[in-house]
Amino acid sequence: DAGVIQSPRHEVTEMGQEVTLRCKPISGHNSLFWYRQTMMRGLELLIYFNNNVPIDDSGMPEDRFSAKMPNASFSTLKIQPSEPRDSAVYFCASSLVASTEAFFGQGTRLTVV
Amino acid sequence: GDSVTQMEGPVTLSEEAFLTINCTYTATGYPSLFWYVQYPGEGLQLLLKATKADDKGSNKGFEATYRKETTSFHLEKGSVQVSDSAVYFCALSDGSARQLTFGSGTQLTVLP
Repeated sequence: DAGVIQSPRHEVTEMGQEVTLRCKPISGHNSLFWYRQTMMRGLELLIYFNNNVPIDDSGMPEDRFSAKMPNASFSTLKIQPSEPRDSAVYFCASSLVASTEAFFGQGTRLTVV
Repeated sequence: GDSVTQMEGPVTLSEEAFLTINCTYTATGYPSLFWYVQYPGEGLQLLLKATKADDKGSNKGFEATYRKETTSFHLEKGSVQVSDSAVYFCALSDGSARQLTFGSGTQLTVLP
């Protein structure tokens, strides 16, 4: 398996623009997680899905952030409008329902200028 | 709620030195415990895990033992290499929540 695939790897955008981050989980994994990593706050869980259904989105910072999982093989994290403080590395991870081990993608480094 | 506390970094060692990175946790149930490693520019990779008390996880010369009595899961390696330079994260999973709770990470730099 190719592992968790995220795109793009790097994104630079201007403040106010919409940004969409994409994730393809490992085939057969039923849980998907979005994390954000910054120097100041470390690794934060934003939202996670189980069987394509959002279970806990309490980590989503504000209404500008939204996440969807239309099917078992694809998820998006959207920021609209983006702000400079959203600059971070965003990771997607997936795991089997019966397992607690999570596999991470390589991340998307987002820079909002 | 669940929480993980790691020793403050950064940690700088010479090659072949002994490594210990402390990790303690707070959880209501019987969590599984993990160490993840993040190399520069990459995502987190599972290094080792332990699912019950007294289990020892090991991989690539690293070891950690699940100590329920001290709620700890310290990471150790007898002889570090330059290639071990990375950020190390301790994490736990409460099975009912299924999500991972991470520590703040410890930056390790190994000098030749």
